[in-house]
Amino acid sequence: DIQMTQSPSSLSASVGDRVTITCRASQSIGRFLNWYQQKPGNAPKVLIYTASSLQTGVPSRFSGSGSGTDFTLTISSLQPEDFATYYCQQSYGTVWTFGQGTKVE
Amino acid sequence: QVQLVESGGGVVQPGRSLRLSCVGSGFTFSTKTMHWVRQAPGKGLEWVAVISYDGTNKWSADSVKGRFTISRDNSKNTVYLQMNSLRFDDTAVYYCARERIALVRGAIEGNWLDPWGQGTLVTVSS
Repeated sequence: DIQMTQSPSSLSASVGDRVTITCRASQSIGRFLNWYQQKPGNAPKVLIYTASSLQTGVPSRFSGSGSGTDFTLTISSLQPEDFATYYCQQSYGTVWTFGQGTKVE
Repeated sequence: QVQLVESGGGVVQPGRSLRLSCVGSGFTFSTKTMHWVRQAPGKGLEWVAVISYDGTNKWSADSVKGRFTISRDNSKNTVYLQMNSLRFDDTAVYYCARERIALVRGAIEGNWLDPWGQGTLVTVSS
């Protein structure tokens, strides 16, 4: 199975900060990479799909980039509602896998 | 609106069985691939299983292979997860989710999960 490695596992940031989270796949996955946000007690919600496409309704301060094995999620100016855990997920092939998550606090 | 509602969770002893259900509404259920994802308490997300729109293709994670079975009844807009031989480490919130795809000139450019249900908690305890 394809392994997804996120870094960092947690980070401390302030409102207005630029935040970058990286995700590395154990093999090339093209652009089959998605990013989800999860807040405590809630189900995850998709933010970015196919590496860089912004889900409808998601603020434009969120962006994604990358292809192959290395991907990045960027929050250009952190807002209070963005404190959450973020997961990357690969959808290349039939068995999907998630990164271990990055908690933004 | 598009909605997924899971049910069937609860407390079960190790080695016993449980069946989860997920009812979809607000979309044409019979045309969508569906997934189960779980999250152990305080842990990250783990993909569990997927079933194609017509039920003919199924795949699951190695951690549940041979013990969990995904199925669906399109007449009831429902996807199931039959969980047998439950273990302590199967304790988790189980989410169902709809797969969405991006097609470009007939080729799949990407697929992702949206929306997700609210989850149902399965606790394996003696």
